[in-house]
Parts: sequence; structure tokens; C-alpha cells
Amino acid sequence: DAGVTQSPTHLIKTRGQQVTLRCSPKSGHDTVSWYQQALGQGPQFIFQYYEEEERQRGNFPDRFSGHQFPNYSSELNVNALLLGDSALYLCASSLPGQGATGANVLTFGAGSRLTVL
Amino acid sequence: GDSVTQMEGPVTLSEEAFLTINCTYTATGYPSLFWYVQYPGEGLQLLLKATKADDKGSNKGFEATYRKETTSFHLEKGSVQVSDSAVYFCALGGSNYKLTFGKGTLLTVNP
Repeated sequence: DAGVTQSPTHLIKTRGQQVTLRCSPKSGHDTVSWYQQALGQGPQFIFQYYEEEERQRGNFPDRFSGHQFPNYSSELNVNALLLGDSALYLCASSLPGQGATGANVLTFGAGSRLTVL
Repeated sequence: GDSVTQMEGPVTLSEEAFLTINCTYTATGYPSLFWYVQYPGEGLQLLLKATKADDKGSNKGFEATYRKETTSFHLEKGSVQVSDSAVYFCALGGSNYKLTFGKGTLLTVNP
């Protein structure tokens, strides 16, 4: 059973460009969350998608947007890239329901490492 | 808002030494508490969890007890191995669908 898969694993962009990252949730999971992990820091919540809608958003600018498809897979889009957007972007999926409570443990993918030059 | 403060590393131990990584939290309501581990080049893996006060989570020899009175969830292991070398994250899950993480603690275990 495949877990959470993310693509691409690594990518390099220049300032001002746009990037799209992709995520397929674990089988049976329908809720997808995105986190940004800067070097040496803990992951920071970007947003969560459930039933193709953004259910919750963290403290990130509108340059960060997302989408969830009917098959529960998801994309994270970042426009007008800044140097500070360089990070590991983690996708996590969970079962239906309450998100990150104890009843719904998140399963993380290995991440997409974005470098902005 | 919710926050997690964990012991900053790096922590370097010899094999078979005792491990403690401190974690304290601030939250409204009754959050769930987690420890995640990140091995080099990999994503985060759940190590253990506790969903209510006085619960003890345990896995692979690691333990942590949810202490509401001290708002703590310290991670312990009696005898670490080289294979335990990784970054450990304490996290809090509230009622708002997200996890709030600490900054992580790098553990290196030497043979």
C-alpha cells in the first residue's frame, strides 16, 4: 500500500517564477494538508483541503494557493517566488473527520525540496 | 494561539545512554500531543501520541506522558541505539485541523 507520494522530489526555480507541487494521499485518505519546513525549523501549516475545498489556512500569503481533485490528490501552487520560499514542502493526508486530532493521525510524504535562486 | 517549545539540540549521546527531550506546550482546550521523527532525506513519521491527560504514548522503546498540570510531553528512551539518530519533533493537534510543531531536536547517537 503506497503511502503519500509527492512530486517532484527536488526542483530549482528563480525569483518571480511560479511552481506547482503535487501530492497523492494514502489510499483511503481524503483530507490533504500542506506544510512548509524551512531549514532547521519545524513544519508550518499552510492549508488543508477536504471535499475539494480549502477548510483551514495558516499564516501564508495569497501567493500560496492549492487545489484538490475529485480523486483526493492535491496541488500546491506558489506564485512570484521569493528567496524565502526555499524549503521542504510536505504533504500529509488523513482519514475523514477532524483533521489533526488524536483520532486522525497525519501520514506525511517525503516532501518536495524547493530551492529559489 | 497554540505553540510548542522543545529542547533545542543538537543532542549527542553514546549508544545505550538514556534520552530525554523536553517539550512543553501552550494551547486552548484539550489538544492531542504527538512526537514525530524525521530520518535524513525522509518525511515525518509518527513515533507516538497521547490524546488526553495522563495518557502515555509508547513505541519502539520511546515513551512520553501527557502532563496537563505542567503542560509537558517529554520524550524518553532508556537505551538509545545508533539507528535512533534523527530529528525529533513535538507537535500539538487542536480542534482546528492543523498540527503545530516545535523546532525539532537533532539527536546523534555514537557507537
